[in-house]
Amino acid sequence: QKEVEQNSGPLSVPEGAIASLNCTYSDRGSQSFFWYRQYSGKSPELIMFIYSNGDKEDGRFTAQLNKASQYVSLLIRDSQPSDSATYLCAVTRRDDKIIFGKGTRLHILP
Amino acid sequence: DVKVTQSSRYLVKRTGEKVFLECVQDMDHENMFWYRQDPGLGLRLIYFSYDVKMKEKGDIPEGYSVSREKKERFSLILESASTNQTSMYLCASSSYGDDNYGYTFGSGTRLTVV
Repeated sequence: QKEVEQNSGPLSVPEGAIASLNCTYSDRGSQSFFWYRQYSGKSPELIMFIYSNGDKEDGRFTAQLNKASQYVSLLIRDSQPSDSATYLCAVTRRDDKIIFGKGTRLHILP
Repeated sequence: DVKVTQSSRYLVKRTGEKVFLECVQDMDHENMFWYRQDPGLGLRLIYFSYDVKMKEKGDIPEGYSVSREKKERFSLILESASTNQTSMYLCASSSYGDDNYGYTFGSGTRLTVV
């Protein structure tokens, strides 16, 4: 089982709709969870982090964590064309190193 | 803003050359990391360092070495470059003092070995 799994996409979402990105992880000891956005040809940029079960909101972004199900998600409300990017889910392992998923490509349709 | 600076954006080297990739961060971060990113394989950890003069192997250290003589600088060395080391190399840093431990990445170095 891969340590961090994401659907590679592309996920196509109409402008103004909600984009939902999902991620599962294998290590039950993981404590910290991150979402990075990566534009084509650029480096990853941290946009959200979450430690506790439940929801965490920041502007148009909401991160959701369910440790029992080993599941993390990112919701983007009122999607904009500028949200088109690859979104990387990242999780800390028991040794504190961060492991990245391969990313989901999101395409916002104008 | 935290800045992680990688010395070169694009680099072309010949097979067998010794290659140095430099990374400097200006926020007094303890932790520094080197990743490579390849299509379909994602980000893979090469080496990391939690302190000056300290280094630890990541998941794919073969063919690489690192140096951390000063806290702000972490260098990745390709001892004898090979074509399978053509990749995007990303440096990152983090601090235990930050509230999220998330990594800040440099802009990356796209290395081509011919």
